[in-house]
Amino acid sequence: GQQLNQSPQSMFIQEGEDVSMNCTSSSIFNTWLWYKQDPGEGPVLLIALYKAGELTSNGRLTAQFGITRKDSFLNISASIPSDVGIYFCAGQLYYLSGYALNFGKGTSLLVTP
Amino acid sequence: NAGVTQTPKFQVLKTGQSMTLQCAQDMNHEYMSWYRQDPGMGLRLIHYSVGAGITDQGEVPNGYNVSRSTTEDFPLRLLSAAPSQTSVYFCASSYDGSGANVLTFGAGSRLTVL
Repeated sequence: GQQLNQSPQSMFIQEGEDVSMNCTSSSIFNTWLWYKQDPGEGPVLLIALYKAGELTSNGRLTAQFGITRKDSFLNISASIPSDVGIYFCAGQLYYLSGYALNFGKGTSLLVTP
Repeated sequence: NAGVTQTPKFQVLKTGQSMTLQCAQDMNHEYMSWYRQDPGMGLRLIHYSVGAGITDQGEVPNGYNVSRSTTEDFPLRLLSAAPSQTSVYFCASSYDGSGANVLTFGAGSRLTVL
């Protein structure tokens, strides 16, 4: 699969702080996605980005699809304790037989009250 | 709707045993897939299917078989379990294979191979 480099690997912040994480790849993707995984659960989609340069918000979350189509970032503003979890970026490629989603290794976020 | 349902939630196997992880979705999704999640590795694609009767390999297919006889079900078979297959397995589906339809994940199946 295409390698996705996600950073940072983990973050330990105080409630109210802003958070930023990003993903880079040596390959071009058609779509960038950001998922959040709570303990013992499957990943849940946060934001989907379909066009290079696209900037999309979902409440306190903002994500951008890089102009080169090789990177994306996710920002969380004014973090709260329920933001705790693992955040994954994913790049989507299309093939004749379907599509494949390649995931980054995740950013583990801890928020202290 | 139940969404994507995986069973069992937990399973312990001995090396060499076989088993099937079940995945069912009730959303009439054409596309289904299996991922494994290992610490520090993110999620890696095992197999996927774009519709009934069609399957294809992902990034880490060795040691796993799949079939898609119905739209709703996409079981993952381990023919001879190995300790390296200890992992958390996620089934995911989407309406079709286009980028506008993103994956919905099940809650996961945690497998331990002794």
